[in-house]
Amino acid sequence: NAGVTQTPKFQVLKTGQSMTLQCAQDMNHNSMYWYRQDPGMGLRLIYYSASEGTTDKGEVPNGYNVSRLNKREFSLRLESAAPSQTSVYFCASSEGTGGPGELFFGEGSRLTVL
Amino acid sequence: TQLLEQSPQFLSIQEGENLTVYCNSSSVFSSLQWYRQEPGEGPVLLVTVVTGGEVKKLKRLTFQFGDARKDSSLHITAAQPGDTGLYLCAGAGAYGNNRLAFGKGNQVVVIP
Repeated sequence: NAGVTQTPKFQVLKTGQSMTLQCAQDMNHNSMYWYRQDPGMGLRLIYYSASEGTTDKGEVPNGYNVSRLNKREFSLRLESAAPSQTSVYFCASSEGTGGPGELFFGEGSRLTVL
Repeated sequence: TQLLEQSPQFLSIQEGENLTVYCNSSSVFSSLQWYRQEPGEGPVLLVTVVTGGEVKKLKRLTFQFGDARKDSSLHITAAQPGDTGLYLCAGAGAYGNNRLAFGKGNQVVVIP
């Protein structure tokens, strides 16, 4: 049972390059989330999707776009990467649509922007 | 401004000792979750507390939700090296839309 799968696990970009982080869950969950984790800052919500077809901004959405491709997949795109976006990115999912419930996290994607 | 303040940020103890870490806020939460994160992995849920004053036990871990639903504590009895990790608290309801707000975490190191 894979749970939440993120790709890639590691990526190095140059400033100005673009990339997409992929996330897929096999638990038939309705809600999906993208967080970033930085030293001393904890987990901060970038975007979330409470159900297929909907997306909403979190605490730190600037510089990112998301797509809820279908119920299983939620991607995060950096159009023009900046060094401030160097971070570990976590995708998570939860069962319900009306509340956070238990979050199931992927293993993370470590991104470095030079 | 951090909605949830966790203290201490870092704690190192010997195997067999007891420890308590705290998660505090000025906001009221409808529920509060505790996660543990190990290096290179995502956080994993340990417990959810919902009722003010609620105490939940998970083997040697005891979680308490404050009476006013603004704070929580995690007590570990006879800590073991396997308890090493980053403990994150997350509160629901403070944003009014049931999104979780995470604290920065308590880094616990248990030395054999």
